[in-house]
Amino acid sequence: SQKIEQNSEALNIQEGKTATLTCNYTNYSPAYLQWYRQDPGRGPVFLLLIRENEKEKRKERLKVTFDTTLKQSLFHITASQPADSATYLCAQSNDYKLSFGAGTTVTVRA
Amino acid sequence: GAGVSQTPSNKVTEKGKYVELRCDPISGHTALYWYRQSLGQGPEFLIYFQGTGAADDSGLPNDRFFAVRPEGSVSTLKIQRTERGDSAVYLCASSLDREETQYFGPGTRLLVL
Repeated sequence: SQKIEQNSEALNIQEGKTATLTCNYTNYSPAYLQWYRQDPGRGPVFLLLIRENEKEKRKERLKVTFDTTLKQSLFHITASQPADSATYLCAQSNDYKLSFGAGTTVTVRA
Repeated sequence: GAGVSQTPSNKVTEKGKYVELRCDPISGHTALYWYRQSLGQGPEFLIYFQGTGAADDSGLPNDRFFAVRPEGSVSTLKIQRTERGDSAVYLCASSLDREETQYFGPGTRLLVL
């Protein structure tokens, strides 16, 4: 079955730097990869969706890439701010059902 | 407008008891989903409703779990004979239609003692 793997170690970075998070899938290429942000005690909040035939997507300081050869998506937060501190979840879907990775916790130091 | 709301926000119960968790989706959203999230893990799919019908309940762990959406809006997740392993955050999400962006509620934290 398809597995979604995210770098399990927490990421600690200095304000202003770029955070790069990795999401790998094991088998077939999903139709979509989605990235969500989750704060403690809250539900996930949708950030970006990238389709199988798209290489890159941007939204403000966020950038997502999708490499079907490497079976990987990278999520970048540029010019990071302490307010970006949260857990970021990667999810794959082919239709309506989302399959999530365990998430990567990012802490941005001022 | 209002987002997805879930009640209660926290529920503590004893092993063997019955619980009901409620989800109010965004008005007009035809698709509704339940997920379960354990500590340190991502959400896991439980069930998907399109309108009033459960279109996919393949994620429900066993027959102690049941969900309804009788009028195509509010949904209730019901857990019978709760077990300690049922302790988790139960998340509800809704979307305008299938394959659209899913909007999550804050979750219900269930603790089974």
